[in-house]
Amino acid sequence: SQTIHQWPATLVQPVGSPLSLECTVEGTSNPNLYWYRQAAGRGLQLLFYSVGIGQISSEVPQNLSASRPQDRQFILSSKKLLLSDSGFYLCAWSPRLAGTYEQYFGPGTRLTVT
Amino acid sequence: AQSVAQPEDQVNVAEGNPLTVKCTYSVSGNPYLFWYVQYPNRGLQFLLKYITGDNLVKGSYGFEAEFNKSQTSFHLKKPSALVSDSALYFCAVRDPRYILTGGGNKLTFGTGTQLKVEL
Repeated sequence: SQTIHQWPATLVQPVGSPLSLECTVEGTSNPNLYWYRQAAGRGLQLLFYSVGIGQISSEVPQNLSASRPQDRQFILSSKKLLLSDSGFYLCAWSPRLAGTYEQYFGPGTRLTVT
Repeated sequence: AQSVAQPEDQVNVAEGNPLTVKCTYSVSGNPYLFWYVQYPNRGLQFLLKYITGDNLVKGSYGFEAEFNKSQTSFHLKKPSALVSDSALYFCAVRDPRYILTGGGNKLTFGTGTQLKVEL
């Protein structure tokens, strides 16, 4: 079966510091991968998605970047964090199967920028 | 652009009573609809989906949803609520004509409905 991991689970970082959040998927190959941010425990905003190694698309301009160095690894980064980057970051994957459109989410990373 | 609306911020239900969490959608063409549940400080869990076929879709944990094309709705239901069902519920839609570059799927989520089931 497939499993998605995210780490760290929680992170407290000062303004201006760098960020690296990691997401890995097990038990599947060539998945579509997604990064979301959830602010104030509610709405989800799609930040980035990737359909293959090295292929990253950004949905909204911002202080963050994403990379996919391996097939099942997705990394969210920032060179200098802002207070507004605080939130709950969720990684998700979807299989490349005809007729399968749902996404499966990881446990999330709670980021607090102080 | 596709969208979903969850008109209720919070729904309160007594344990054992039926529950309904409402969702309406707006999309051109045939909608692909989903329900997810989120427990505190956890990721979203997939409950069920409607792609085509029977308007009543059954999902995990005894949940079901009814697709109504004329009312553009996809309400989540459960015949008998449990305290453990208390969580945040999200409706989502995929516009089948909106395919991310390379074939990925973009889902648009509602703002969520907090379900509280009390004894």
